[in-house]
Amino acid sequence: ETGVTQTPRHLVMGMTNKKSLKCEQHLGHNAMYWYKQSAKKPLELMFVYSLEERVENNSVPSRFSPECPNSSHLFLHLHTLQPEDSALYLCASSQGGTGGFYEQYFGPGTRLTVT
Amino acid sequence: AQKVTQAQTEISVVEKEDVTLDCVYETRDTTYYLFWYKQPPSGELVFLIRRNSFDEQNEISGRYSWNFQKSTSSFNFTITASQVVDSAVYFCALNPFIQGAQKLVFGQGTRLTINP
Repeated sequence: ETGVTQTPRHLVMGMTNKKSLKCEQHLGHNAMYWYKQSAKKPLELMFVYSLEERVENNSVPSRFSPECPNSSHLFLHLHTLQPEDSALYLCASSQGGTGGFYEQYFGPGTRLTVT
Repeated sequence: AQKVTQAQTEISVVEKEDVTLDCVYETRDTTYYLFWYKQPPSGELVFLIRRNSFDEQNEISGRYSWNFQKSTSSFNFTITASQVVDSAVYFCALNPFIQGAQKLVFGQGTRLTINP
């Protein structure tokens, strides 16, 4: 069983809906990440929470809003999305701290379709 | 700026053939880490290997081997005697030596298909 779980696995929503993606890690890590994976594009880092620090990718539209209530849980709140936001959204976790040493552990992703 | 290039978008081979996935990176940092991840059809990325910039020894793990050459900024991945279960998308990634969160920069990925 994976140490990082994501719900829901599939989501279809209209452009006027509001929904949230949930991620939970059971690995004792202190950093969590949201990635967007679109067809034929590299994985795009959207948000990072590490040791209570939030790091944003400035190119992410404000219709995506992250929330990290504690080191084990991460949410991505979605509102008034566009069809081009349809993608696989991946959550990951890792140890934080100095260095680039720590590998990230990924969840299975939420396949989002915006109609 | 950090950049990772995986020039091979798709590779298809017959089972038991050897296959090499290329990865070329760009960075101005002297200390950095390189990773390979595998993404099977189920979706989650699976960590395969990590290399730091000061360790150029090649590594072998079963049928998998990695060739890190700093002189050409390459970190190539070879699967020997490929199997159908190796079919997946493989990502190479770069992480600079930083404090705090690990901000991986991924390549575009190589879709590997192993045909029976």
